[in-house]
Amino acid sequence: GQNIDQPTEMTATEGAIVQINCTYQTSGFNGLFWYQQHAGEAPTFLSYNVLDGLEEKGRFSSFLSRSKGYSYLLLKELQMKDSASYLCALSGGYQKVTFGTGTKLQVIP
Amino acid sequence: NAGVTQTPKFRILKIGQSMTLQCTQDMNHNYMYWYRQDPGMGLKLIYYSVGAGITDKGEVPNGYNVSRSTTEDFPLRLELAAPSQTSVYFCASSYEESGELFFGEGSRLTVL
Repeated sequence: GQNIDQPTEMTATEGAIVQINCTYQTSGFNGLFWYQQHAGEAPTFLSYNVLDGLEEKGRFSSFLSRSKGYSYLLLKELQMKDSASYLCALSGGYQKVTFGTGTKLQVIP
Repeated sequence: NAGVTQTPKFRILKIGQSMTLQCTQDMNHNYMYWYRQDPGMGLKLIYYSVGAGITDKGEVPNGYNVSRSTTEDFPLRLELAAPSQTSVYFCASSYEESGELFFGEGSRLTVL
């Protein structure tokens, strides 16, 4: 099976940088997703890492280390609208895409 | 381009009632999925389909049924609703197997 761990909640200040970690245990996977989900809304795609290393997309970056079973999502220049839950998910395997429980990020002024 | 459309957005059911959540997508995706999301529990896969006429169980299929008669439509049927089925249900589709998921807006179901 697959197991994914993320912190439940985080708080950060507007304009700052925050790193949301995700650790996982799995017998194999294709890649790792990050999704953003605002309260009461559907998840939306942020990033997908297949290879080890950092993928940068504007204010958001995502990192993957397969050997360490570890990923993080880095959010720079935080804005109030970044307050949301961030879901780490593994691609591949019987369950197709397996989601972690998500990290609820609160951005404060 | 509407993407993935789910109906209804909200529904209250009595214990033992049945209903169907509708899902349709206009992106010509072969892969479609139903997830449920409970507070603090993350998204759990109920059923998925790899194409018209082909469906398979996910992690939490008990109490649900699906069908896939066309590429566009993937309805989820709840038979004999139970309070444990109170949840938010998301339909999703993808172009590739285990690829980027495109979600519908969700259906909030309460069973009393």
